Amino acid sequence: AQKVTQAQTEISVVEKEDVTLDCVYETRDTTYYLFWYKQPPSGELVFLIRRNSFDEQNEISGRYSWNFQKSTSSFNFTITASQVVDSAVYFCALRGAGNQFYFGTGTSLTVIP
Amino acid sequence: ETGVTQTPRHLVMGMTNKKSLKCEQHLGHNAMYWYKQSAKKPLELMFVYNFKEQTENNSVPSRFSPECPNSSHLFLHLHTLQPEDSALYLCASSHSRAGGGEQYFGPGTRLTVT
Repeated sequence: AQKVTQAQTEISVVEKEDVTLDCVYETRDTTYYLFWYKQPPSGELVFLIRRNSFDEQNEISGRYSWNFQKSTSSFNFTITASQVVDSAVYFCALRGAGNQFYFGTGTSLTVIP
Repeated sequence: ETGVTQTPRHLVMGMTNKKSLKCEQHLGHNAMYWYKQSAKKPLELMFVYNFKEQTENNSVPSRFSPECPNSSHLFLHLHTLQPEDSALYLCASSHSRAGGGEQYFGPGTRLTVT
């Protein structure tokens, strides 16, 4: 079975705080791909990052960083020094060998000025 | 135009109307998807097309009828909808290959059924 769990439904932080969004996945595929998307209030899902199952190297892009750990089946997303513009719903997703994507239920992040 | 476009952006229709949603991708992808996103609910996959062939239909009611004339265009034909069908309908596309490419989404059509 393929499944993505985002246990945090809503998170509120004060601007400039760091925040980590959790993502836990389940898959039986040996090759798979993990993604993070951002959905601002406008509604469009914006692709942020893709990680292949055979590449556990963590990645940093500006204030964003991702921690992929196969041992715990997790792919967590950290925003450093959060800003109001980071307020959005964030989705973690999984793709196995086929064309179907499995999305988590999303984490709604509110950054308070 | 670049990326994935959807028209119309907003649609209000009565339960007896017939309307169509259109999606077009300019990314050279060959897999296309329809998702439904209701308020306070997770994304629901509706249909998947791979090289114009439907490969997934997640028990979607027949009042939703997809059409994929080519790899760049995807339609969702709507008829005799119910108020609970009011939602944001998102189209997405991706490469259809073992490389596992990401999906790119359109801006969505916000549908209200009255």
